[in-house]
Amino acid sequence: QVQLVESGGGVVQPGRSLRLSCAASGFTFSSYPMHWVRQAPGKGLEWVAVIKYDGSNKYYGDSVKGRFTISRDNSKNTLFLQMDSLRAEDTAVYYCARDPLPVRFAAAGSGGYFDYWGQGTLVTVSS
Amino acid sequence: DIVMTQSPDSLAVSLGERATINCKSSQSVLYSSTNKHYLAWYQQKPGQPPKLLIYWASTRESGVPDRFTGSGSGTDFTLTIGSLQAEDVAVYYCHQYYSTPPTFGQGTKVEIK
Repeated sequence: QVQLVESGGGVVQPGRSLRLSCAASGFTFSSYPMHWVRQAPGKGLEWVAVIKYDGSNKYYGDSVKGRFTISRDNSKNTLFLQMDSLRAEDTAVYYCARDPLPVRFAAAGSGGYFDYWGQGTLVTVSS
Repeated sequence: DIVMTQSPDSLAVSLGERATINCKSSQSVLYSSTNKHYLAWYQQKPGQPPKLLIYWASTRESGVPDRFTGSGSGTDFTLTIGSLQAEDVAVYYCHQYYSTPPTFGQGTKVEIK
C-alpha cells in the first residue's frame, strides 16, 4: 500500500534552516510528481511546492519562493524540502502528497490533485 | 491566483440528512483541451491529513462512499453528502489544479445537529 512518511520537523529559531524528508513506499516513486502542502495551526491548506517525477521542473508558492527548495532522490524514494530563512509564519504541519495526474492532462506546470498524503510533520518557528 | 471561496464556513446537519457545500472559483477551471474541470474535494478529520474524495469535479475516488457526490461547472461547484453519517464530521476543502499556484477553499466544517 502507498505510504508517505514525513520527518525532520521541530522547533527552530527565526532565520534558521530545517530540512524535511518524506519517505515513500508502495508505489513507483520515480513515476510521480510530488508536492508539499502545509497547514498552519487551526488554519486551512496552503500549497508549498511541487517537483516533477524526474526533478526536471519545480514550482513554488510565492510565500516560500527563494527561501525553500524542493528536491528528490529517486534512488532512495525520498522527497525533501530545504527550508531556509524561516519565519514565524512558516509554522505549520507540512504534508507531502502524491500527484497522480498524467502529464498529458496537466493544465498547469504545478500538476494535479493529491491522492495520497503523509501524516505530516510539525515545524514551529519561534525564538 | 485563482481564489476559491467556500460556503458556508460551517453547517450542522442531522444524521441521515443531506449536507451541501458550495465552492466558487474566481475564474473558470475548465480546461478546453481536455474538457475537464480541474477541481477536487478533500475531507479532513481532526488530527488527520486530508483525504481525496472527488477529482475532475465529479469523479469519486476509489473507496469513497457513494453518498459523496461532486457536481458543478465553470466556476460553481458543489459537494453533496447525501445522507450524513457520524463519521462524516470533518472539514471539507475544495481545490483547483487548473493553474499555478494550486489553491484551496478556506474549508467548511460539517457537524451533527
